[in-house]
Amino acid sequence: QKEVEQNSGPLSVPEGAIASLNCTYSDRVSQSFFWYRQYSGKSPELIMSIYSNGDKEDGRFTAQLNKASQYVSLLIRDSQPSDSATYLCASDTGRRALTFGSGTRLQVQP
Amino acid sequence: NAGVMQNPRHLVRRRGQEARLRCSPMKGHSHVYWYRQLPEEGLKFMVYLQKENIIDESGMPKERFSAEFPKEGPSILRIQQVVRGDSAAYFCASSPVGSRETQYFGPGTRLLVL
Repeated sequence: QKEVEQNSGPLSVPEGAIASLNCTYSDRVSQSFFWYRQYSGKSPELIMSIYSNGDKEDGRFTAQLNKASQYVSLLIRDSQPSDSATYLCASDTGRRALTFGSGTRLQVQP
Repeated sequence: NAGVMQNPRHLVRRRGQEARLRCSPMKGHSHVYWYRQLPEEGLKFMVYLQKENIIDESGMPKERFSAEFPKEGPSILRIQQVVRGDSAAYFCASSPVGSRETQYFGPGTRLLVL
């Protein structure tokens, strides 16, 4: 079982819609969770971090964490074509480095 | 404020040659991490270093790969006797003291082994 799992996609949403990206993790010692965005051929860019159960909002982005269910999600409101990218979920499992999922490819259709 | 710097951005090597990848962390950051990304795959952790210390190398292949982060100068990931399977994007990330979780990535080095 992978430590951090994501649906590879592609997830296709129309422009203006809400994109919902999901991630599950297996290691219960995980304390911190991160969402990175990676455009094709580019490096990962940190979007959000979340440490506590509940929601955390930043602009059009909302991260949600449910430690009991070992579930993390990222919502993107008013999706734009420029949001089309691969979104990587990562957890800090206490092993001094992040564990990344394989990413979900998001396509926002104009 | 300069971000994480990596060079070269692209590197072509023939099988059996050596590849040296360099990473300069963000100013004020003393933690460096190396990741490898194969095409269409996620990031795989390789090694975590602080100045003059390897903290965790559990993701490094046992042979041909080594990493260092000297007191002065950039961190270096060295791959000896490269093989075609080493072709990948190698990303370096850094974080400030006491905040290892918040990692900022460099632009990566794309290694192609012919």
